Amino acid sequence: DIQMTQSPSSLSASVGDRVTITCRASQYISSYLNWYQQKPGKAPKLLIFAASSLQSGVPSRFSGSGSGTDFTLTISSLQPEDFTTYYCQQSYTTPWTFGQGTKVEIK
Amino acid sequence: QVQLVQSGAEVKKPGASVRVSCKASGYTFPGYDINWVRQATGQGLEWMGWMTPSSGNTGYAQKFQGRVTLTRNTSMSTAYMELSSLRSDDTAVYYCARGHVRLDAFDIWGQGTVVTVSS
Repeated sequence: DIQMTQSPSSLSASVGDRVTITCRASQYISSYLNWYQQKPGKAPKLLIFAASSLQSGVPSRFSGSGSGTDFTLTISSLQPEDFTTYYCQQSYTTPWTFGQGTKVEIK
Repeated sequence: QVQLVQSGAEVKKPGASVRVSCKASGYTFPGYDINWVRQATGQGLEWMGWMTPSSGNTGYAQKFQGRVTLTRNTSMSTAYMELSSLRSDDTAVYYCARGHVRLDAFDIWGQGTVVTVSS
């Protein structure tokens, strides 16, 4: 199985900050990398697909980059509603696997 | 609107089975895979398996092979996940999620079903 490792596991930031979350795959996955946002008690929401494509309706402050094994999710200017948990997921091969999550907290 | 609506919370005893339903609306049900993902309290997301509604073909994570069965009723646009031989560590929120072929991602999620396994 492909292991997905996110870093950091948590971070503290302020409204307006630029934040970057990293996701590393244990083997090559091309650009088959997705990012989800999950708020407490809610289902995950797709933010970015294919490493860098913004899902319809997602604010442009979210962006993704990377290919191969190393990927990043960047939030250019944190908004109050962005303080929650983010997961990466590989869609290169089954079993589809997720990172352990990164919790973005208010500083 | 496009949505997946899941059945309500379940409480089961160890050794029992549970079946969770996922009703699709707002799109052509046979056109997209349905995946199942679970999340234990305070934990991450764990993919369990997929089903192609048009054919009934399925694929399962090795961890759940032999214990999970994915089925569908196309006339009702509903997918089902049955998990047998329940243990306490199966206590989790279970989500169905639509697999979008072009996006290679889960673009629509159900609201989640809490399954509690307790004696």
